[in-house]
Amino acid sequence: KAGVTQTPRYLIKTRGQQVTLSCSPISGHRSVSWYQQTPGQGLQFLFEYFSETQRNKGNFPGRFSGRQFSNSRSEMNVSTLELGDSALYLCASSPSGGHQETQYFGPGTRLLVL
Amino acid sequence: DQQVKQNSPSLSVQEGRISILNCDYTNSMFDYFLWYKKYPAEGPTFLISISSIKDKNEDGRFTVFLNKSAKHLSLHIVPSQPGDSAVYFCAASAYNAGNMLTFGGGTRLMVKP
Repeated sequence: KAGVTQTPRYLIKTRGQQVTLSCSPISGHRSVSWYQQTPGQGLQFLFEYFSETQRNKGNFPGRFSGRQFSNSRSEMNVSTLELGDSALYLCASSPSGGHQETQYFGPGTRLLVL
Repeated sequence: DQQVKQNSPSLSVQEGRISILNCDYTNSMFDYFLWYKKYPAEGPTFLISISSIKDKNEDGRFTVFLNKSAKHLSLHIVPSQPGDSAVYFCAASAYNAGNMLTFGGGTRLMVKP
């Protein structure tokens, strides 16, 4: 089975712009979660989508949003980019997002905000 | 408030010896724990997990131990190999938080030939 794929792998934006990142989960997986990794804050949960609905949300401002399509692919959007949004954005998928279900991560999208 | 802590930022071990990576947590609602390995420019790779109803789980060279009373878990790698050199993350999931993972800060393991 192919793993989780994320596009693009690298991105450079300037402050104030917006960005959209894409994630394709493992075939058959319907839950997609997003995480942000920064040197200062480590790996932090952004949100989780299942059946096109946001089911869980971390402690991030409203500038961070996402959506999921009927084929389980997911996108996350960051509007009005700030320098502090520079990070590695990771997507993870699991079959149903159930508790105690292992999540499998993609390679990430590295975003640099100038 | 860091709910999952990995107090050793780095660990150096000789090839063939045991590597022990430690993780402490504070949230009593955590009942599922995972270890991930991460190489630079790659996403975390799942290694092994343990439910709070167990105190040990083994998978090949990897064993995870859970001490619920101390809110402590550890990952043992025996024998350590140079290819094990990576950053290891401990993660926890609470029974009332779906599949949201809370991660520790990571420990960089270096296995010397």
